[in-house]
Amino acid sequence: EIVLTQFPATLSLSPGERATLSCRATQSVSDNYIAWYQQKPGQSPRLLIYGASSRATGIPDRFSGSGSGTDFTLTVSRLEPEDFAMYYCQQYDRSQITFGQGTRLDIK
Amino acid sequence: DVQLVESGGGLVQPGRSLRLSCAAFGFPSGDYAVTWVRQAPGKGLEWVGYIRSEAKGGTAEYGAPVKDRFSISRDDSKSVAYLHMSSLKIEDTGVYYCSIEEIWGQGTKVTVSS
Repeated sequence: EIVLTQFPATLSLSPGERATLSCRATQSVSDNYIAWYQQKPGQSPRLLIYGASSRATGIPDRFSGSGSGTDFTLTVSRLEPEDFAMYYCQQYDRSQITFGQGTRLDIK
Repeated sequence: DVQLVESGGGLVQPGRSLRLSCAAFGFPSGDYAVTWVRQAPGKGLEWVGYIRSEAKGGTAEYGAPVKDRFSISRDDSKSVAYLHMSSLKIEDTGVYYCSIEEIWGQGTKVTVSS
């Protein structure tokens, strides 16, 4: 099973700042089968990025994904008030899908 | 309107069974795999399992915590997928979501308690 570790666990930033969230896998994720999700309290997860760098439908271009192999990054270029939420990475490379434990993005 | 709607959650005693449903509206769900994900109270997302489309064999995969207790099936004539849960444990408590591609349902809450 591929274990995903997200860091930092909590990120405190102000609106307008740049956020960089990291996700590290214990094994190489082939074909960059990494996705990123945003979840707000009481809501279902929302797919942001798939294939490590492709934005899902309707996702603003301030969200971008990058990385390959075992190290992946979600960047939010300029934080908007609605971006403060939990973020999860997910690998779907193998038949056993796994999620990271999440990064909480808080307003500073 | 494209959406997924889960149902079937509720309070159940440990050791008992429960079946959750995931109904798809507004798109041909039979063409896609259906994934189940759960979230324990105050915790992160945990993958439960998925079922492939019939075109890809209709087979399922499961996470280790639920393998041998849970099974997933689908009835594409009704655009519904099911999560059959048996031998339920307290640690199975949580909100269960189904998803197809980028579409997620609103979740259904399962509480396992005596």
